[in-house]
Amino acid sequence: GENVEQHPSTLSVQEGDSAVIKCTYSDSASNYFPWYKQELGKGPQLIIDIRSNVGEKKDQRIAVTLNKTAKHFSLHITETQPEDSAVYFCAAPLYTGTASKLTFGTGTRLQVTL
Amino acid sequence: ETGVTQSPTHLIKTRGQQVTLRCSSQSGHNTVSWYQQALGQGPQFIFQYYREEENGRGNFPPRFSGLQFPNYSSELNVNALELDDSALYLCASTTAGGSTDTQYFGPGTRLTVL
Repeated sequence: GENVEQHPSTLSVQEGDSAVIKCTYSDSASNYFPWYKQELGKGPQLIIDIRSNVGEKKDQRIAVTLNKTAKHFSLHITETQPEDSAVYFCAAPLYTGTASKLTFGTGTRLQVTL
Repeated sequence: ETGVTQSPTHLIKTRGQQVTLRCSSQSGHNTVSWYQQALGQGPQFIFQYYREEENGRGNFPPRFSGLQFPNYSSELNVNALELDDSALYLCASTTAGGSTDTQYFGPGTRLTVL
């Protein structure tokens, strides 16, 4: 099965700085990589995802890069704001039968300080 | 916010009891997955339901069971509760079609087992 590792576990940045979170995966057949943001007391919210036919995807201040050869993908947040403070999870497909299921990383707690 | 709803929000049970959690999928979604998220961890896949049948299962014992109804809503049942079952239980909905379908999560049910 798929194994996803995520680093760092905690990340503190000053407002306006950039934040980068990295994940590696084990199954070379994986072809879909979502990122979720989870605020306290809430469920994970999809913020961006990338499919294996592209190497980079950007949505305003958020971008994701994918290196299939090295089997790693990264989340980049630029111009961080206090409301970016949350726990971020990367994920990769878990192949059991049909339809998508996910294996998650262990999470990165991002704190944006003023 | 996604259109996935879960009930109840919080639940307290004692060891050995049974619990039923409920999930309504987002409009147009026919597949529901359940995840367990222990404190400080990423969500772990329990099982998925598609067309009212179990469609893949993670590493959870048989005392974790589920149902899906014709309107695509779903229930998670846990028998003989153990202290380690204390966690946030999340459901996610998607449309079955392959391994790259986006999953949308509900807010979760916080289960505490005493």
